[in-house]
Amino acid sequence: DAKTTQPTSMDCAEGRAANLPCNHSTISGNEYVYWYRQIHSQGPQYIIHGLKNNETNEMASLIITEDRKSSTLILPHATLRDTAVYYCIVRVPTTSGTYKYIFGTGTRLKVLA
Amino acid sequence: GAVVSQHPSWVICKSGTSVKIECRSLDFQATTMFWYRQFPKKSLMLMATSNEGSKATYEQGVEKDKFLINHASLTLSTLTVTSAHPEDSSFYICSAATSGSHRVKNIQYFGAGTRLSVL
Repeated sequence: DAKTTQPTSMDCAEGRAANLPCNHSTISGNEYVYWYRQIHSQGPQYIIHGLKNNETNEMASLIITEDRKSSTLILPHATLRDTAVYYCIVRVPTTSGTYKYIFGTGTRLKVLA
Repeated sequence: GAVVSQHPSWVICKSGTSVKIECRSLDFQATTMFWYRQFPKKSLMLMATSNEGSKATYEQGVEKDKFLINHASLTLSTLTVTSAHPEDSSFYICSAATSGSHRVKNIQYFGAGTRLSVL
């Protein structure tokens, strides 16, 4: 099962900041939080990831609460092209020593003109 | 980011035939690749983890004889859907995980997906 829960859908006005929340209350101390998005009929696109510090890159910012039980992805100035399904993922260790992603349902973000 | 190429992007086949899908990491080596399946308006479902030079690890409920995975090199994994039937029609997506030598390690980068339609 996925270790994250997200709202099913959100709307955001074009040009405004889009704040997408994610709960991961069972996250372990050394587990990262990853964010991806999937535009219709394409493969997921990596956005950002973090452990406990806030992170920022050219696409987005990631705010992780101090207790690490939740995080928020921020798209500072949403455009119509940001309309997509956004997935928050905490990877799960495998028996072979690697990690795998278990996708939850994600948040369907619709940016409105 | 890193580039993962998936081919073909779309395939139509007759029931009973086998279909091979390729997943290549173009600018990095990937000891681990993953195969997912996605139905319309649903989330991605992990099918198997593909490890270079060893057998794939399948998720519960995924038939390993139906979905053959081969990871013969550090840049190529293949998924073969054997004796395909209409219920196998779906969107198949692969990903490759960067390793410790990559500047951004332990990130999965995804291919564009393959839409399989079995008639």
